[in-house]
Amino acid sequence: AQSVTQLGSHVSVSEGALVLLRCNYSSSVPPYLFWYVQYPNQGLQLLLKYTTGATLVKGINGFEAEFKKSETSFHLTKPSAHMSDAAEYFCAVSGTGGYQKVTFGTGTKLQVIP
Amino acid sequence: EAGVAQSPRYKIIEKRQSVAFWCNPISGHATLYWYQQILGQGPKLLIQFQNNGVVDDSQLPKDRFSAERLKGVDSTLKIQPAKLEDSAVYLCASSSGTGGEQYFGPGTRLTVT
Repeated sequence: AQSVTQLGSHVSVSEGALVLLRCNYSSSVPPYLFWYVQYPNQGLQLLLKYTTGATLVKGINGFEAEFKKSETSFHLTKPSAHMSDAAEYFCAVSGTGGYQKVTFGTGTKLQVIP
Repeated sequence: EAGVAQSPRYKIIEKRQSVAFWCNPISGHATLYWYQQILGQGPKLLIQFQNNGVVDDSQLPKDRFSAERLKGVDSTLKIQPAKLEDSAVYLCASSSGTGGEQYFGPGTRLTVT
């Protein structure tokens, strides 16, 4: 069984401030972890993913996330928020190998204040 | 490469009517997914195909929802009859099956009145 918890359904940051979106996961097997972004009236787009290897993962648009097994966390960060970052962000987990089901969190809506 | 295509983008129907959604995945992607995304929630997997076989349909309300993927390419999702609680965005995604990354279409927003 696997699950994802995203802390905070809404997060507001000032333009230029640090973005921190929290994700904790539960998985009975070593996980693959993902962050997706969804802009209004669009589908989800992959920001970054962790499969194996380096625990600090860099993605598109300046985002990065760190896999911390001991904390079962995969928080998403960006040093400096842009107005264009305003969107909804989803953390997701799947098992490794084969065609594993992906479980999504409930999402965090990021607001960027000018 | 072309992305995942879905149609229609928007659909409004009355309860008890039927509706169908179409999805064309990225060429060569063996795995296709249908998700239901209710406003304010994350996507919920309805059905997962591997080529034209069903891998997981445990959360598909089979009394009213059906899906098929003929020839392992395009897929259709049907609802018959629709209920008010079916109002949601229906997302189609595909993947090559390695690394878990999924590619999503723009979705179909269904409103049941």
